[in-house]
Amino acid sequence: NAGVMQNPRHLVRRRGQEARLRCSPMKGHSHVYWYRQLPEEGLKFMVYLQKENIIDESGMPKERFSAEFPKEGPSILRIQQVVRGDSAAYFCASSPETGSGSLAKNIQYFGAGTRLSVL
Amino acid sequence: KQEVTQIPAALSVPEGENLVLNCSFTDSAIYNLQWFRQDPGKGLTSLLLIQSSQREQTSGRLNASLDKSSGRSTLYIAASQPGDSATYLCAVTPGNDYKLSFGAGTTVTVRA
Repeated sequence: NAGVMQNPRHLVRRRGQEARLRCSPMKGHSHVYWYRQLPEEGLKFMVYLQKENIIDESGMPKERFSAEFPKEGPSILRIQQVVRGDSAAYFCASSPETGSGSLAKNIQYFGAGTRLSVL
Repeated sequence: KQEVTQIPAALSVPEGENLVLNCSFTDSAIYNLQWFRQDPGKGLTSLLLIQSSQREQTSGRLNASLDKSSGRSTLYIAASQPGDSATYLCAVTPGNDYKLSFGAGTTVTVRA
């Protein structure tokens, strides 16, 4: 049972280009979370998605950032017109649907991350 | 807003010494607390998860304690080895939420 798969592992973009980060959740997991880790900082929540739905994007910058989790295929975090401040490690996590009614009970399993460098 | 602090930010010890890593959080209404290990350029490995009703968890040479009322957790690593060199992250799950709050980590170097 493969874990959470993220690709690419490393991504280099020039200012103004677009970055697309992919995340395939663990088999059977229908919840996806994206976190960003800036240098010397802890991971910060960005967005929570279920299949075809954005549940909570309160941690995501209002401009240039978007996320999706289509019915088929991986979740995508898209950053348009990247700037140097977007350089960070972006982690994806997934969790199963426990049916418990408490989202806190859904243990999140993390991928290896994508390290974005903006030149 | 939950704030998670880890002290010290970096730690260097000789092989064989015991490690003590500290984590504090401002809001005691947590569901659980996790300790993760992060190797350079790599992902997160979950080491221990302590439910809010528990006081400690153990796995091999690792022991994590939780004092929810005072907002503190401590990770002990016994008889450290060079392979324990990594960054250790503490994360709390809020009472009924999914947004994990992470500390900035403690970077550990174990010298052979």
